[in-house]
Formats: sequence, structure tokens, C-alpha cells
Amino acid sequence: EVQLVESGGGLVQPGRSLRLSCAASGFTFDDYAMHWVRQAPGKGLEWVSGISWNSGSIGYADSVKGRFTISRDNAKNSLYLQMNSLRAEDTALYYCAKLDGFRDAFDIWGQGTMVTVSS
Amino acid sequence: QSALTQPASVSGSPGQSITISCTGTSSDVGGYNYVSWYQQHPGKAPKLMIYEVSNRPSGVSNRFSGSKSGNTASLTISGLQAEDEADYYCSSYTSSSTHVVFGGGTKLTVL
Repeated sequence: EVQLVESGGGLVQPGRSLRLSCAASGFTFDDYAMHWVRQAPGKGLEWVSGISWNSGSIGYADSVKGRFTISRDNAKNSLYLQMNSLRAEDTALYYCAKLDGFRDAFDIWGQGTMVTVSS
Repeated sequence: QSALTQPASVSGSPGQSITISCTGTSSDVGGYNYVSWYQQHPGKAPKLMIYEVSNRPSGVSNRFSGSKSGNTASLTISGLQAEDEADYYCSSYTSSSTHVVFGGGTKLTVL
């Protein structure tokens, strides 16, 4: 079964750090670009960051640039998001998503991990 | 990068058809045929419904169709069913450094 499982979310104070993980299974992980998409409570989807299959190409939304770092470990079939200097506006459900390169669409999504930034 | 523009809500009765628009610019929707649509039920992850403007993934009902004209893409759902009630998001490739942009989402209510 093709699956993405996120973990690492939780309650964190403003200015602190958190590292999210996404475990992939059921497909050849290192064939695909992977992305993080977040959704603030009651709000829409917001693209956060993406990384190519070999980590050679990385991108970030302006809202997180300089604070968040995306990485992957193909040997462990895992995607990561290191989030530093967290702000209240980073509070959201963070989804890991697989990009189908031929279709340029996110065909597989995890169930998300919730990050709450509050004092 | 500004989000693509979608209506906040649309509604329709069972059996009817509805269309959701998604307006961008020549740097995203109008410039590439990489528009996709996602369905999201409450408390669930998004599900890919349409890719490359008008293609359906395997398993998606043919009641869902997509099209594009200029800088505006559209999702049409025909023969509305109660299970179609959900939030719908469009997405497009963009020439900006972010490469991906989403619409603000549209809540579909089946009356």
C-alpha cells in the first residue's frame, strides 16, 4: 500500500524549533520529488517547501524561507522539515505529499501532523 | 506569490452541475497546462481529482471534468451527489521560485 505517515508535530513556544518527519512506503521513494503543504485551522492549503528526488533542487515559500529547511534520506525513505524560529502563524496541519512528476500533481498525501505555536 | 482566485462557495442540488473557477495569471494557470484540482472532505487529506487541466486519475468518477481558457481554469461536477460536498482546491505550476501555487479553496454545498 502506498503510504505517507507524518510525525513530529506538537505544541511549541514561539521562537523554538521542531522537526517533522514523513515516512514513505509502497513506492520507490527516491524516484520522486516530495513536498510539504500546510493548512492553518479553517484555512486553505499553502505550499511550504519541495525537494527533488536527489535533493538537487529545493524551494521554499517566502513565508518560511530562511527559517525552514527541507531534507530527505532516500536510504530511509524519509522526508524531513526542520522548522526554526517558529511563529504563531506557522500553526497548521502539515502534510507530506508525493509529486507525480509526469502529471505535475500531488497524487499521494499523508494524514498530516499538527503544529501549534503558542506560549 | 499570490494564491490563485477561487469563489469561496458554490452550491447545487443533487443531479445538477456546478462549475468552480480558478483564476491566475500568465505566469501560472495561463502559461502552463499543469493545473490540478483536489477534493478535501472535513478532517481528511486532499485527494487528487484532476491533473494537467483535464485528466482524471484512475478511480475518479467521470462526473468530474476540467478545462482551461486563458488564465482561468474550471472544475465541473455533473450529476451532483451528496458525497461531492467538500472543499475543492486548484493548484498550478508557476514560473516563480516557489513552482507551486494553490487557490484559496471553494466550499461546495449540495443542497
